[in-house]
Amino acid sequence: NAGVTQTPKFQVLKTGQSMTLQCAQDMNHNSMYWYRQDPGMGLRLIYYSASEGTTDKGEVPNGYNVSRLNKREFSLRLESAAPSQTSVYFCAFVGRGTDTQYFGPGTRLTVL
Amino acid sequence: QKEVEQNSGPLSVPEGAIASLNCTYSDRGSQSFFWYRQYSGKSPELIMSIYSNGDKEDGRFTAQLNKASQYVSLLIRDSQPSDSATYLCAVTSSGGYNKLIFGAGTRLAVHP
Repeated sequence: NAGVTQTPKFQVLKTGQSMTLQCAQDMNHNSMYWYRQDPGMGLRLIYYSASEGTTDKGEVPNGYNVSRLNKREFSLRLESAAPSQTSVYFCAFVGRGTDTQYFGPGTRLTVL
Repeated sequence: QKEVEQNSGPLSVPEGAIASLNCTYSDRGSQSFFWYRQYSGKSPELIMSIYSNGDKEDGRFTAQLNKASQYVSLLIRDSQPSDSATYLCAVTSSGGYNKLIFGAGTRLAVHP
């Protein structure tokens, strides 16, 4: 998946639990993104980071926080998981010298 | 709300036929347009990008863009069973930072 790793691959949480989804890219790209994908829907942008140390909200940021402490890693945190956050989460980055986004393998999250 | 619309399908075509996938978008400021293919349980992978009006061909794939009509299409010639997947149309948001707006995808089924 184009030099992007996501952990974990699968996770089951109970309502109210917290967790952090990790994304790391090994190609020194600036822009990184977090999306969620629900059945029958396209990918929706949660948060993005244009560069190290900067983050901004996307279309559906409520219930999430992000952290971009270095250029390589962009993490997504659920402070108090809700069943509505059951989804597949994809991390993406923009390729060097392009405007094309490339996606990680995804994390499938279920909140009971 | 800026939107990208696609027919959800399934679009069923026989092997060897031409598959035609369509997409309309609402953001007149969009400058870049992408088609991603997504197999079940996998992450989206880039098929084509197109930036100017007209056709762009890459192997069996042809992307077509008409900015005046806010319309993007993807033609797949000589369709193969391995082309069976969901095809996602994505356009860049006029808000910058290479943010993408995705359609919900069209499911393509190519039958032998």
